[in-house]
Parts: sequence; structure tokens; C-alpha cells
Amino acid sequence: GDSVTQMEGPVTLSEEAFLTINCTYTATGYPSLFWYVQYPGEGLQLLLKATKADDKGSNKGFEATYRKETTSFHLEKGSVQVSDSAVYFCALRGGGATNKLIFGTGTLLAVQP
Amino acid sequence: DSGVTQTPKHLITATGQRVTLRCSPRSGDLSVYWYQQSLDQGLQFLIQYYNGEERAKGNILERFSAQQFPDLHSELNLSSLELGDSALYFCASSVAQTSRKDTQYFGPGTRLTVL
Repeated sequence: GDSVTQMEGPVTLSEEAFLTINCTYTATGYPSLFWYVQYPGEGLQLLLKATKADDKGSNKGFEATYRKETTSFHLEKGSVQVSDSAVYFCALRGGGATNKLIFGTGTLLAVQP
Repeated sequence: DSGVTQTPKHLITATGQRVTLRCSPRSGDLSVYWYQQSLDQGLQFLIQYYNGEERAKGNILERFSAQQFPDLHSELNLSSLELGDSALYFCASSVAQTSRKDTQYFGPGTRLTVL
């Protein structure tokens, strides 16, 4: 079945460092891909999405490119801030007649001043 | 603020009891989804309703049931509660029943603790 694999956390960075959180997927058909972020004590917020191969999603300085050849959707940010500290979830919506999201395990990012 | 509301925010109850979690979707959204977030299972899809009809089921236990009402709000009923049901339960909503471009917006969640 469809699945998402994320890099294990926690990821600890200093402010202004470059961030990469790896995400790879297994899916039949042509999934849509998402990154959601969960700040402490809050719900999930959509960070960015891409619905077809080679699409780049971007928001708040974060970017991810849908790579069909490597089945990946890695999240990047050029310069992280303390306020980016949160749990990041990669997710896919598989093909077919369902909108259900399949999530990775989440990656905790801690940014130190 | 996503526009999706969930009540209550916290719920503490005992094993064997029954609880109801409530969700109001964003204005204009017809689909409602329920997800469970637990330490051992991660974030898992439970069930989807679209315009009052059940559309997809995931790993939802038989002790759990849901419905979507004519005003589009939804309730998730959990019965014969066990310790392992303790989790964060999220509701999400979206416009479509099924669409590649559809985006799900999540509520703040209900934290259920079963003692």
C-alpha cells in the first residue's frame, strides 16, 4: 500500500542554518504531496503542497519539489528561525477515489538561538 | 486559524465509558475527515464523510462510529473506551469528495485521556 517515510528526528539547528528534512514515498498512480507543520500544543497547518511531478510548493521560505524519478518531496529552508521549531509531517494523497491522507512519522525540528 | 472547530479541547474519562467528539468544518466545505494521532501509531486516517454520506474508511475500530449531520458538522463517537484509545483526535475538512488538488484543513484537535 501507499506509504511515506521521513527522516528520523529530532533535528537540531542553530538559527540561520540551512534545513533539509527528507521525505520519500511509495504510491501507485500519481499522488499529491503535502507538508504539514504542528507547532507545540496546536493542530496541523498546511505548509505547502504539490500535485504533480516537478511542481514546487513554497510558503514562508520553505520549499519542496515533487520528484517522481526519486519518489521524493524533501523540505528545505535556506535560513531557519527559532519560530520554525515544530514537528513537520510529510503526507500523500494517493490516487483513486479517496481523499485520505497518509502521513509520515513526523520530524521534530528544534532551532536554537 | 483554519476555520475548523473542534470541541471539547480536552476530555478525560474512564475505561468502558463512551464519549462524543464534535467538529464543525470550514464554511463551504462538504467533506469531513477524522484522524487519530497517537505515540505508537502516529497520524492515522479513520473515516471520511461527504455531504452526509460515508465515503471512505480507514483503521477505525468497530467501537468507534461517526456521522455527518445536515448542517455538515460531524461527530465521532467512541465507546467501550480502553487505555489505548488515549490520543489526539483531529478533524479536517475540504471542499471535494475526491480531488487531486483538494486541500484538507485541520482543526486544533481533541485530546482524549482514558484513565
